Amino acid sequence: GNSVTQMEGPVTLSEEAFLTINCTYTATGYPSLFWYVQYPGEGLQLLLKATKADDKGSNKGFEATYRKETTSFHLEKGSVQVSDSAVYFCALWVIQGAQKLVFGQGTRLTINP
Amino acid sequence: DTGVSQDPRHKITKRGQNVTFRCDPISEHNRLYWYRQTLGQGPEFLTYFQNEAQLEKSRLLSDRFSAERPKGSFSTLEIQRTEQGDSAMYLCASSVVRTVNTEAFFGQGTRLTVV
Repeated sequence: GNSVTQMEGPVTLSEEAFLTINCTYTATGYPSLFWYVQYPGEGLQLLLKATKADDKGSNKGFEATYRKETTSFHLEKGSVQVSDSAVYFCALWVIQGAQKLVFGQGTRLTINP
Repeated sequence: DTGVSQDPRHKITKRGQNVTFRCDPISEHNRLYWYRQTLGQGPEFLTYFQNEAQLEKSRLLSDRFSAERPKGSFSTLEIQRTEQGDSAMYLCASSVVRTVNTEAFFGQGTRLTVV
């Protein structure tokens, strides 16, 4: 089946620190991969995505590269800000298969000034 | 605002009561999804529609849950005889059918508290 495993949180960093949140997946078929972000009191927002191997998704200083050989899609940011504090979800979507997003459990990120 | 809209944003109900939530998707989107999110967990798939047809239901969707999308536009999710375990955030999302480069857009959710 399809599943996503994320690095367990919570993660607490100081402002301007380097961020990595690990995400690995198992999929039947060839998935598209996503990172969603959920700010306090808000819904899920798409942060970035990648649709094929070696693609790099990027947005707001965040990046993630689709690594088929390691079945991974780790989220990185070079210098985090307090405003990046949120819950981050890795997700996959197998277009040719079950037509739905499958999410990881989420990683809560807190950035201290 | 042309995003996904959910109503109500918050609902507190007594155990045993019925509740109904509404979702209005982005207008040109033919797919509509319902997810449930409990505290500290990722969203779990409940069901989805393509136009008015309900194409898949999760085993999480017990017979107390029913979802409809009567005209292929808005959708409702009803929970009958609510239980405390139903307390969660109920998320709606919509998308268009594409073979590649598709993505889902989420509403802000309805937070249900069963007391």
